Amino acid sequence: AQKITQTQPGMFVQEKEAVTLDCTYDTSDPSYGLFWYKQPSSGEMIFLIYQGSYDQQNATEGRYSLNFQKARKSANLVISASQLGDSAMYFCAMREVYGQNFVFGPGTRLSVLP
Amino acid sequence: NAGVTQTPKFQVLKTGQSMTLQCAQDMNHNSMYWYRQDPGMGLRLIYYSASEGTTDKGEVPNGYNVSRLNKREFSLRLESAAPSQTSVYFCASSENPVGQAYEQYFGPGTRLTVT
Repeated sequence: AQKITQTQPGMFVQEKEAVTLDCTYDTSDPSYGLFWYKQPSSGEMIFLIYQGSYDQQNATEGRYSLNFQKARKSANLVISASQLGDSAMYFCAMREVYGQNFVFGPGTRLSVLP
Repeated sequence: NAGVTQTPKFQVLKTGQSMTLQCAQDMNHNSMYWYRQDPGMGLRLIYYSASEGTTDKGEVPNGYNVSRLNKREFSLRLESAAPSQTSVYFCASSENPVGQAYEQYFGPGTRLTVT
């Protein structure tokens, strides 16, 4: 069965510094996708970044990058140059390519300090 | 494009009442999903529909029914609401081409309170 673990319930980071949010996953399927979503206090779910299990390079989207270590089954989100607007809940999720089910982790609450 | 829309945004029900949450997407996606989100927890899948005419149970289907009315619309029904169903409900849609995993697009959510 698929499973996502996010071990950091809450994180603090100083504005303009980088922060890493941890995510480990468990699957027996060799083909899968990993996703990160942001949920600000307003409640909407915002897609940030995607990594495919066969992608050779780590995904990057602007200030977001995904540190993908396949052998360790980890997919950590790195946010560079944190901004006050980055304060939100962050969810890691996974979908097996030939399945329909997305599985979400419990989330990490990030607070950016001025 | 409106993306994924949900109605209503807020709802208060009494125990035992029924209601239907509506969801529609205009992105021509095959797959649609219903999740619930409780405080301190991630999203848990209630039901999903891989394509028009098909529905399948997710992690927490008890107390809910769904209908995939057409490719655009996917509704969630609570037949007899219980306080344990107080939650925020999200609808999502996704493309699902064979051999690839695409991201989901979410609606704004429905905040449901059952008293």
